[in-house]
Amino acid sequence: RKEVEQDPGPFNVPEGATVAFNCTYSNSASQSFFWYRQDCRKEPKLLMSVYSSGNEDGRFTAQLNRASQYISLLIRDSKLSDSATYLCVVILRSNDYKLSFGAGTTVTVRA
Amino acid sequence: GAVVSQHPSRVICKSGTSVKIECRSLDFQATTMFWYRQFPKQSLMLMATSNEGSKATYEQGVEKDKFLINHASLTLSTLTVTSAHPEDSSFYICSAPVSDPGRSQWGYTFGSGTRLTVV
Repeated sequence: RKEVEQDPGPFNVPEGATVAFNCTYSNSASQSFFWYRQDCRKEPKLLMSVYSSGNEDGRFTAQLNRASQYISLLIRDSKLSDSATYLCVVILRSNDYKLSFGAGTTVTVRA
Repeated sequence: GAVVSQHPSRVICKSGTSVKIECRSLDFQATTMFWYRQFPKQSLMLMATSNEGSKATYEQGVEKDKFLINHASLTLSTLTVTSAHPEDSSFYICSAPVSDPGRSQWGYTFGSGTRLTVV
């Protein structure tokens, strides 16, 4: 079983729509969670960290469900510029720098 | 902010040749550098972890004699793909952990990636 699994999508949504997707992780001892954004043929860029209580950054809301071992990302009021692949990233231990990446969920926002 | 400069961004080489990829930390000291490989529509897979002044640690299944990593200084880590073959064609990217004291946590800065095509 992969450490981090994501629905690859693609999620095709109109501008202004809300889109949400999840990521599951296999190791219950995982400590830290992030959402990264990767544009085609570019390096990943941090979108937001995911905190236990859930957190919001503008139009983006992240949630963590430790019991079911998944994190989620919700994008409200989608913009064309939100079109990208969203990578779920997990760190197993707090003193371990290694990131485990999901394969990404592709979101396409159409006009 | 902390920046890692990665070169080249794109390289096409003949089968059997070697290719060197450089990652330089521009405004911080990178004692650790992670090297990833990403095939189309797949996740970034960690290949190895380099630490300044010591031997790199390779992930299972990654040939250390084929993917040579050097981290001789605090600002430069290199990955050399030796005797490249078409199946080595991929997107290679480096990443360094950087501290974020204001948030009491670590962040990660990525190089811009190198797209290697072996023909």
